[in-house]
Amino acid sequence: DIQLTQSPSSLSASVGDRVTITCRASQSISNYLNWYQQKPGKAPKLLIYGASSLQSGVPSRFSGSGSGTDFTLTISSLQPEDFATYSCQQSYSTFYTFGQGTKLEIK
Amino acid sequence: EVQLVESGGGLVQPGGSLRLSCAASGFTFSSYAMSWVRQAPGKGLEWVSRISGSGDSTYADSVQGRFTISRDNSKNTVYLQMNSLRAEDTAAYYCASMSTSWYFDLWGRGTLVTVSS
Repeated sequence: DIQLTQSPSSLSASVGDRVTITCRASQSISNYLNWYQQKPGKAPKLLIYGASSLQSGVPSRFSGSGSGTDFTLTISSLQPEDFATYSCQQSYSTFYTFGQGTKLEIK
Repeated sequence: EVQLVESGGGLVQPGGSLRLSCAASGFTFSSYAMSWVRQAPGKGLEWVSRISGSGDSTYADSVQGRFTISRDNSKNTVYLQMNSLRAEDTAAYYCASMSTSWYFDLWGRGTLVTVSS
């Protein structure tokens, strides 16, 4: 199975900060990488698909980049509602896998 | 309204069985692959199983041979039959619709499964 490793596992930041989360795949997955946001007690929400395409309705402060094995999710200016856990997911293999998650907390 | 609603979770003893259901509405259900994804308490997301619109299915190694996914397109519902349950199957189980590029674009609110004696 393809392993996804996110870094950091947790992150403290302030409103207005620019934040970057990294996801590294154990083998090349082209651009088959997706990002989700999850708040406590809630279902995940799709943010980015195909490494860099913004899902409809998601604010433009969210962006994704990368291809092959290295990917990033960037939030350009943190808002209070962005404090959550972010997970990457690969759709290159039919045995879909997720990263372990990055918890973004308020500093 | 476009939505997925799971049901069927609960407390079950180790070795027992449970069937989860996920009712879809607001979209052409038969055209979409569907998956079950679970999340153990305090842990990350784990894909469990997927079924295509025509019924082809795949499973994670952790549930292969114990879980069975199925769908009834006439009822807009996908099911997960879980047998030989183990403590490590304790999790919130989410159903999700899948795009043609295999990302999860719509999620239900989840149903909690607890395996304990």
